Amino acid sequence: DARVTQTPRHKVTEMGQEVTMRCQPILGHNTVFWYRQTMMQGLELLAYFRNRAPLDDSGMPKDRFSAEMPDATLATLKIQPSEPRDSAVYFCASGTSGGPTGELFFGEGSRLTVL
Amino acid sequence: GNSVTQMEGPVTLSEEAFLTINCTYTATGYPSLFWYVQYPGEGLQLLLKATKADDKGSNKGFEATYRKETTSFHLEKGSVQVSDSAVYFCALRESGGSYIPTFGRGTSLIVHP
Repeated sequence: DARVTQTPRHKVTEMGQEVTMRCQPILGHNTVFWYRQTMMQGLELLAYFRNRAPLDDSGMPKDRFSAEMPDATLATLKIQPSEPRDSAVYFCASGTSGGPTGELFFGEGSRLTVL
Repeated sequence: GNSVTQMEGPVTLSEEAFLTINCTYTATGYPSLFWYVQYPGEGLQLLLKATKADDKGSNKGFEATYRKETTSFHLEKGSVQVSDSAVYFCALRESGGSYIPTFGRGTSLIVHP
């Protein structure tokens, strides 16, 4: 059963520490999205890749966040340095770039707590 | 830009009650419309979709009809179960450009026995 895999599922860290979240998209999917979910803001798009190329990261705080796809099986989201306001659930989703009708497949999320 | 507006939650119902969750959208083109569901502790998963006007998406007893004239895609179910308790997200993907989805804020549904 193909699924998007995210690690870690839970992370507690202290302010100022570096945090790296990883995502393995479904094999054959060539689009990857990173979302952040909070009660206050709902789902926010942080980054979007197609064929490993970043197409949109306008929602990502550039001073501390970075997103990469070193290869087709791995996407990473890094926060350095982390702050308490970064506490949220971070979701990775993948899909095909077959146009507007395609669905996204979400991972189970990485719950980040920054103390 | 595109936007999706959903009714505020939580929606609280008794088992076997009728459910409607309203969703309206704004788009410049001809989007595809989706409902995703998020169960506690999980990621979002597709519930149903419709890709053109007057299409009806359906799954697990849920239905939604793509209404272009009212720019709406309301989610309905005739008889909810406790297991339907979750957060429901309405979303659209535009027909041109980058195909980045636009999500609503989500509506929490709580079903009591």
